[in-house]
Amino acid sequence: KAGVTQTPRYLIKTRGQQVTLSCSPISGHRSVSWYQQTPGQGLQFLFEYFSETQRNKGNFPGRFSGRQFSNSRSEMNVSTLELGDSALYLCASSLAGRDQPQHFGDGTRLSIL
Amino acid sequence: DAKTTQPNSMESNEEEPVHLPCNHSTISGTDYIHWYRQLPSQGPEYVIHGLTSNVNNRMASLAIAEDRKSSTLILHRATLRDAAVYYCILRAPFSGNTPLVFGKGTRLSVIA
Repeated sequence: KAGVTQTPRYLIKTRGQQVTLSCSPISGHRSVSWYQQTPGQGLQFLFEYFSETQRNKGNFPGRFSGRQFSNSRSEMNVSTLELGDSALYLCASSLAGRDQPQHFGDGTRLSIL
Repeated sequence: DAKTTQPNSMESNEEEPVHLPCNHSTISGTDYIHWYRQLPSQGPEYVIHGLTSNVNNRMASLAIAEDRKSSTLILHRATLRDAAVYYCILRAPFSGNTPLVFGKGTRLSVIA
C-alpha cells in the first residue's frame, strides 16, 4: 500500500515569493493534516482538511493556506515568504473516525534565501 | 491536550531492550496515550497507543501504570534502525482527527 506522498521533496525560494506544496494521502484516507517542523519550535500543527473542508486550524498567520480536492489530495500555499518560513513541512493522512493514527509523509524541505 | 514529560535523550546497546518513560500526571480519565517516532530525515511514524491495559504490536509494547500517570514504551530488542526521536502524546477519545500536539520527545541513540 502506497504511503503519503509529498512533492517536491526540496524547494528553495526567496523572500517575498509564494510556494505551493502538494500532498497525496493514502488511498481511502479522507483527512489530511499539515505540520511545520523547525529546530526551534518543533512540530506545530498548521491545519486539517476533511472532505474538502478545513476542520481545524493552528496558530499561523493568514499567509499560510490550504485546500483539499475531491480526491482527497491536498495543497498548502505560503505567500510572501519570510526567512522564518524555512522548515520541513509535513503532511499526514488518516481514516475518518475516532482516534485513528496519522500517517506522515517524509515532508517538503523549504529553504528561504 | 494534557502535558507529557519525557527525558531529552537515552542511549541503548544494540539487541538490548529499551524502556522509554513518559510522565503524564495530569492525564484525564479518558485520554489515550499515543507514541510516535521520527527517524532521521523522515516524517513521524505511529508506533502504538493504549488506554489502560498494556498493549503489544509488532513494533513495541506499551506498559501503562495502574494510576495512568505514567507509561513506558518498550522496544524488546533495539536495532540501529530504532535510533529516532520518540514522542509520547495524549489524545482525548472521540478526538477524531484533531491535531497531534508534539513535545520535544526523547532522542534514542543505539550503539552497535
